[in-house]
Amino acid sequence: AQKITQTQPGMFVQEKEAVTLDCTYDTSDPSYGLFWYKQPSSGEMIFLIYQGSYDQQNATEGRYSLNFQKARKSANLVISASQLGDSAMYFCAMREGTGNQFYFGTGTSLTVIP
Amino acid sequence: DAGVIQSPRHEVTEMGQEVTLRCKPISGHDYLFWYRQTMMRGLELLIYFNNNVPIDDSGMPEDRFSAKMPNASFSTLKIQPSEPRDSAVYFCASSLWASGVGNEQFFGPGTRLTVL
Repeated sequence: AQKITQTQPGMFVQEKEAVTLDCTYDTSDPSYGLFWYKQPSSGEMIFLIYQGSYDQQNATEGRYSLNFQKARKSANLVISASQLGDSAMYFCAMREGTGNQFYFGTGTSLTVIP
Repeated sequence: DAGVIQSPRHEVTEMGQEVTLRCKPISGHDYLFWYRQTMMRGLELLIYFNNNVPIDDSGMPEDRFSAKMPNASFSTLKIQPSEPRDSAVYFCASSLWASGVGNEQFFGPGTRLTVL
């Protein structure tokens, strides 16, 4: 089974609107961390936001928030007030407490329309 | 901090040649990861090290690929002989485990490899 699943290959959003990028994960480890990265067309991987499995509140970082639903094993990224510069690939990733490896999803390509 | 440093940034070589990619992790980080990214296969983990010791190399595609980490500040990924299907962007990333799962990976800028 895939550790990280991103079911949206491509998404479009109007500038200034909010958008949700989906991510589901699979693990039996009680301790894990969930991450979102942004990869613009220039190619670098930029860390956006982190959610720990024991965190009681959803993580927020500026316009980014993580909708963490532990029972459903989902960790969706919400981008509020989209900007043209948000157009990029977005990757969801997980790090388990054992093994210490990172698992990445296949990514979602987001296009912000002016 | 300089971040993760990779060299070269671009490499163009001919099939059959040896290619060596280099990575300098962030000082103090105890984990180092090598990834390959292609349009067809996405982001693939090739190998990762903990305290300079290879932990999992199950993602290395075949014997033509080898990776070393002789010290905490340097790692290489070597392809010998190279083939056109090795063309990809190769990322190095480093991370710190000290406080557990919460430490993100820091990625280098990547090496874009083209094998003709």
